[in-house]
Amino acid sequence: DTEVTQTPKHLVMGMTNKKSLKCEQHMGHRAMYWYKQKAKKPPELMFVYSYEKLSINESVPSRFSPECPNSSLLNLHLHALQPEDSALYLCASSQGSGRNTGELFFGEGSRLTVL
Amino acid sequence: DAKTTQPPSMDCAEGRAANLPCNHSTISGNEYVYWYRQIHSQGPQYIIHGLKNNETNEMASLIITEDRKSSTLILPHATLRDTAVYYCIVWSGNTGKLIFGQGTTLQVKP
Repeated sequence: DTEVTQTPKHLVMGMTNKKSLKCEQHMGHRAMYWYKQKAKKPPELMFVYSYEKLSINESVPSRFSPECPNSSLLNLHLHALQPEDSALYLCASSQGSGRNTGELFFGEGSRLTVL
Repeated sequence: DAKTTQPPSMDCAEGRAANLPCNHSTISGNEYVYWYRQIHSQGPQYIIHGLKNNETNEMASLIITEDRKSSTLILPHATLRDTAVYYCIVWSGNTGKLIFGQGTTLQVKP
């Protein structure tokens, strides 16, 4: 199984809603990532988890709250988002622990629309 | 992290080799060159990576100049399914960050 599965594929939410994006991998990878991608732009790194601990936060606003319940799961909790937060949110994983960790496996993304 | 420079777009005829250039003149000795591609509406896909030597796998070949300041990704026989945005990325294990630049949009034409 070389897949990273993201749910939901599409999400529409209001600015006062609370929602979550979910990501799952069963490759035994120990590093997991969240990226944000606006239309016609490259993916932007948001968070990196290494061995279930947050290791990198690229100065992301607190309305985005990541969580890594175990080594296979990664969540992104969303609260009080703005319309400009509408984007494709990509999850990725890698082996971690210094073994070719530049090779990331990406999911298909969750397309978020904030009204 | 070293920055990369790629042409914004390129065309290639189907069946011909696609050669995608990348400049990374500030690359450090312990930094790798990675290539990814992103087909429309999909997540990025790893293609190949290298440090100093040329590399080849089932998808592509990577040619890195001796001074490591530039590289070329070669798709030997491009097909319509190779139409995508191709990203050249300099990666270091020190930071662990994979940072995407603007990439090259490759259009393979029949």
